[in-house]
Amino acid sequence: SQTIHQWPATLVQPVGSPLSLECTVEGTSNPNLYWYRQAAGRGLQLLFYSVGIGQISSEVPQNLSASRPQDRQFILSSKKLLLSDSGFYLCAWSSGGSAQPQHFGDGTRLSIL
Amino acid sequence: EDQVTQSPEALRLQEGESSSLNCSYTVSGLRGLFWYRQDPGKGPEFLFTLYSAGEEKEKERLKATLTKKESFLHITAPKPEDSATYLCAVQASGGTSYGKLTFGQGTILTVHP
Repeated sequence: SQTIHQWPATLVQPVGSPLSLECTVEGTSNPNLYWYRQAAGRGLQLLFYSVGIGQISSEVPQNLSASRPQDRQFILSSKKLLLSDSGFYLCAWSSGGSAQPQHFGDGTRLSIL
Repeated sequence: EDQVTQSPEALRLQEGESSSLNCSYTVSGLRGLFWYRQDPGKGPEFLFTLYSAGEEKEKERLKATLTKKESFLHITAPKPEDSATYLCAVQASGGTSYGKLTFGQGTILTVHP
């Protein structure tokens, strides 16, 4: 069966510090990968998606970037964090094809001080 | 622009008191509608995919239905363990963001014993 791992579960970082969140998927090949942010009491906002190694698409302009160095690894990064980057970050995967459900990891709670 | 609106924002039920959650959507063409359950501090857990009007899916005490404008998640004789936030999302046909889901804000369900 497929599993998705995200780490760390929680992170507290000072403003201006760098960020690296990692997500890995097991049990599937060539998944579509996604990064979302969920603000408190709000729905999920898609930040990045990837359909293959090195292929990254950004949904919203922001202070973050994403990379996919391996087939089942997806990384969310920032060079300098802003207060507004605080939130709950979720990684998800789906199979290729039409209307496939996305499956989520347990997220990283990021607090910027 | 695709839009998803969920109602009510919060719902409190007594154990055994059946009810329904609503998800209204506006898309140029529906590829799929998805229901998720999210527990506090966790990522969303996939429940159902509905593809066309008239379709129904069931899982334990949950039943999801779909019309051309909305979807309902019916909860029959709920138990306290059904307490969670329920999220609805749509995937539109066409567009440039392959696999993109547009999420509603969710309904927070609390079931009291």
